[in-house]
Amino acid sequence: DAGVTQSPTHLIKTRGQQVTLRCSPKSGHDTVSWYQQALGQGPQFIFQYYEEEERQRGNFPDRFSGHQFPNYSSELNVNALLLGDSALYLCASSSTGEAYEQYFGPGTRLTVT
Amino acid sequence: SQQGEEDPQALSIQEGENATMNCSYKTSINNLQWYRQNSGRGLVHLILIRSNEREKHSGRLRVTLDTSKKSSSLLITASRAADTASYFCATNLYGKLQFGAGTQVVVTP
Repeated sequence: DAGVTQSPTHLIKTRGQQVTLRCSPKSGHDTVSWYQQALGQGPQFIFQYYEEEERQRGNFPDRFSGHQFPNYSSELNVNALLLGDSALYLCASSSTGEAYEQYFGPGTRLTVT
Repeated sequence: SQQGEEDPQALSIQEGENATMNCSYKTSINNLQWYRQNSGRGLVHLILIRSNEREKHSGRLRVTLDTSKKSSSLLITASRAADTASYFCATNLYGKLQFGAGTQVVVTP
């Protein structure tokens, strides 16, 4: 049973560019959440997708957007990249019927230069 | 902003000793979860305690929750070098996890 997978593992972008990160949830999970983790900090909630719609959102600007596909996989898009967007981006999946226990992927390390 | 605060920020112990870390939070919760992270990679779920539970055990882990004080503690007994990692508490309200800044634990052989 595959766990949560994310791609790519590492990414280097230039300020002002756009980036797309991808996540496949654990088998049987229908909810995907995205988190940003800056160096030395705990993860910060970006948003959550369920039934292809954004269900909750954290305190992130509109430059951060997402999408969920019918197979429950998800993308995180970040436009007009800033140096401060450099972080580890974590995807987590869960099943709505299991007390929201979330399973995390290995993350995508984004560096903005 | 971070919901929870872990204490201490860092902990250094020897193998076989117990490690205790605490977490305080600010708002209502459905449950509280503890995670481990090795070397800045993905988080591994350790244990979940519901808001109506006071104590929970899983292997060498013991978690307590005091909702009146809005605090939780994680005890790792008989620590091993492989327990070296960062530990995070996360409050959960309707599926939205809010993490603290974590406790860095180093276990030396």
